[in-house]
Amino acid sequence: AQTVTQSQPEMSVQEAETVTLSCTYDTSENNYYLFWYKQPPSRQMILVIRQEAYKQQNATENRFSVNFQKAAKSFSLKISDSQLGDTAMYFCACRTGANSKLTFGKGITLSVRP
Amino acid sequence: DTGVSQNPRHKITKRGQNVTFRCDPISEHNRLYWYRQTLGQGPEFLTYFQNEAQLEKSRLLSDRFSAERPKGSFSTLEIQRTEQGDSAMYLCASSPQRNTEAFFGQGTRLTVV
Repeated sequence: AQTVTQSQPEMSVQEAETVTLSCTYDTSENNYYLFWYKQPPSRQMILVIRQEAYKQQNATENRFSVNFQKAAKSFSLKISDSQLGDTAMYFCACRTGANSKLTFGKGITLSVRP
Repeated sequence: DTGVSQNPRHKITKRGQNVTFRCDPISEHNRLYWYRQTLGQGPEFLTYFQNEAQLEKSRLLSDRFSAERPKGSFSTLEIQRTEQGDSAMYLCASSPQRNTEAFFGQGTRLTVV
């Protein structure tokens, strides 16, 4: 079984600045995938970015990038040029190759200040 | 296709009543998942289907919970004899056979009074 830990319950950032959200995970599998999901208030959860564990290169999607440290089992999300629309809960999640289910962390509430 | 659809969006029920939720996945998505999310927490896995076969159930899914996916299309999640502890957001997600990304619906918020 895998576990995902997000130890920061909430963070705040000034608009246009950069913020990093932390996540650690644990799994005994070699084949797994890591995700960051965004859940805006009263809206559905959407995928922000994903990382395949076998890929050494960190994933990037526009203003969003990850710092994937496989040995340390760390998977942080960096949001550059923060926008007001980035205000949401962010969940880190892990899925192993052998199992379809996602295991989520407790989430972090990110507030972007104007 | 407008994505994963869940109905109803909100449900208030009295303790002891039965409730049923429906999820319509993205068409041609073979895999369908149910999660439960309580306030301030991340979603917790309940069960998943590949086509019409229910392949895994969490220990969170007590005997009062049952899920079906007839003909591998929409799915229903029924909770019998609801308890206050069942109050939560119930999320449905679907994914294609060979993809790792799950697409979520907006959820059904259940309040048991």
